[in-house]
Amino acid sequence: KQEVTQIPAALSVPEGENLVLNCSFTDSAIYNLQWFRQDPGKGLTSLLLIQSSQREQTSGRLNASLDKSSGRSTLYIAASQPGDSATYLCAVTGNQFYFGTGTSLTVIP
Amino acid sequence: GAVVSQHPSWVICKSGTSVKIECRSLDFQATTMFWYRQFPKQSLMLMATSNEGSKATYEQGVEKDKFLINHASLTLSTLTVTSAHPEDSSFYICSARPQGWAKNIQYFGAGTRLSVL
Repeated sequence: KQEVTQIPAALSVPEGENLVLNCSFTDSAIYNLQWFRQDPGKGLTSLLLIQSSQREQTSGRLNASLDKSSGRSTLYIAASQPGDSATYLCAVTGNQFYFGTGTSLTVIP
Repeated sequence: GAVVSQHPSWVICKSGTSVKIECRSLDFQATTMFWYRQFPKQSLMLMATSNEGSKATYEQGVEKDKFLINHASLTLSTLTVTSAHPEDSSFYICSARPQGWAKNIQYFGAGTRLSVL
């Protein structure tokens, strides 16, 4: 069964810093990998989707990479802002979505 | 873009009562919808896959008689938590896959927080 792990579980950084969130998965047979943002008590907002044939996707200050062979993905956030504070979830898709446990990010003004 | 509406967003109920949560795809048809549960500081766990016009498929360990799923139309799936108990308190999120789209595309609702007293 697919297992998805995210490190670190929590991260606190001062505003303006660049940061990297990590996601690893055990089964490389995936359709795609998706990064989501979840604010407290809210649903999921899709940030980036990387198809299995792609190596990275970029949207604004966000860049996500995918190394399917090693079962790893990173989400890079440039010039972090307090509004980036949220929990970030990665999910890989096979026959269903498999979610990681998330990284709780706090950006300190 | 595709929008999935979930209602209610928050419900508080007494132990022993039943609660119904609705998941609607507003601007697309969805033959398949999914129900997830999320406990505090934990990830989303798939509970069941809801197929329009047929019985839902439940994940291992999920009681089908406790979590009743009905997918009566291409835009609506409901999850009923029957005889709710405090341990059922959780955040429930639904998602919907547009009809004819690949299985790896889902749009998520905003979630329903259930608190059972």
